[in-house]
Amino acid sequence: QSVLTQPPSASGTPGQRVTISCSGSSSNIGSNYVYWYQQLPGTAPKLLIYRNNQRPSGVPDRFSGSKSGTSASLAISGLRSEDEADYYCAAWDDSLSGNVVFGGGTKLTVL
Amino acid sequence: QVQLVQSGAEVKKPGASVKVSCKASGYTFTSYYMHWVRQAPGQGLEWMGIINPSGGSTSYAQKFQGRVTMTRDTSTSTVYMELSSLRSEDTAVYYCARGGSADPGDAFDIWGQGTMVTVSS
Repeated sequence: QSVLTQPPSASGTPGQRVTISCSGSSSNIGSNYVYWYQQLPGTAPKLLIYRNNQRPSGVPDRFSGSKSGTSASLAISGLRSEDEADYYCAAWDDSLSGNVVFGGGTKLTVL
Repeated sequence: QVQLVQSGAEVKKPGASVKVSCKASGYTFTSYYMHWVRQAPGQGLEWMGIINPSGGSTSYAQKFQGRVTMTRDTSTSTVYMELSSLRSEDTAVYYCARGGSADPGDAFDIWGQGTMVTVSS
């Protein structure tokens, strides 16, 4: 049972826009930044979005993040086949002297 | 270039310990926190703990308290994660990941390639 809640799966066709939600609480998303990671099959995770809505250099602007209250979302526009991957949200949690909490991950399928 | 290179796969028996290394290069080792994250087969990411390579201070997830030890060697820019009293549920890929320079909760911007640890009798 993950501290942050994500839908286990999402899907879309090429060119579509899809969103992935991430729900938390006041001790994590509600008071700290949200991060998103993309994990392609058989590879290490890669930073996709940092500090709620910032993209590292090299990440296409098709990817965007947002946060409101204790929830966050990752949006992918102009869906491409290479976007098929697992996506994880993460945040620092202020409870229990602090630690990092992850969502359970969302498997994105490009139909 | 900035990279983290981890040690190779391990096979251990239940009750044993494993020590995984993560060698950093391409940046000032003592300027960035380092985290350890694991992923069991077919499962999600699980945070294990953090070490400050500058002073060596650590903080561990409650789940691993008493079983995990994170250390560093500044002379070789290497961090280590040792997990003891291994059980089958510890079978996973273990990743080191570089954190922020000032904020321990900042993004994990560089990841190691992962080290597979298999616990089996």
